[in-house]
Amino acid sequence: AQTVTQSQPEMSVQEAETVTLSCTYDTSENNYYLFWYKQPPSRQMILVIRQEAYKQQNATENRFSVNFQKAAKSFSLKISDSQLGDTAMYFCALREYNFNKFYFGSGTKLNVKP
Amino acid sequence: DTGVSQNPRHKITKRGQNVTFRCDPISEHNRLYWYRQTLGQGPEFLTYFQNEAQLEKSRLLSDRFSAERPKGSFSTLEIQRTEQGDSAMYLCASSLGGSYSNQPQHFGDGTRLSIL
Repeated sequence: AQTVTQSQPEMSVQEAETVTLSCTYDTSENNYYLFWYKQPPSRQMILVIRQEAYKQQNATENRFSVNFQKAAKSFSLKISDSQLGDTAMYFCALREYNFNKFYFGSGTKLNVKP
Repeated sequence: DTGVSQNPRHKITKRGQNVTFRCDPISEHNRLYWYRQTLGQGPEFLTYFQNEAQLEKSRLLSDRFSAERPKGSFSTLEIQRTEQGDSAMYLCASSLGGSYSNQPQHFGDGTRLSIL
């Protein structure tokens, strides 16, 4: 069965520092996509970054980067130079190539402190 | 791109009543998803449409739940005989592409349902 696990319910980081959010997943498929979504308080969920499993190079989007370890089934998100606007719930998600369902983790609440 | 629109934003109703939510996806998106999200949890998949065809339904979607997407445009999610456990945020998302598409989902603001 497909599962996505985020073991850190809540994290805090000082503004301008770096923080890493963890995500592990389980799938029997070899081809899939991984995503990190951000959900600010009372606002809609938006995409932060995505990774194709067949790509060995880790995805990067400005201050956001991932550490994708396929063998370990790990997909962590690193936020550099944290900003107050990064305060949100962060969800890790998995989608397999041949299927259309997205599986979400339970989320990590990130608080960026001034 | 006007984004995914959901109505109403909030719905408060008495147990046993029927409720209907509407989702208007991004216009060119052929895929539409419904999720349920409870406090402190990630979204749980309910059902998925490709154009007007409902291709997959979760076991979470009991016979009290029904979803439609007539003409492959907007979608409605109806809950009949609501129960306390139905209280949640109901999220709609849309995306573009075929099976091998890496296109992400675009989410609406959600409809928060509260059962009294």
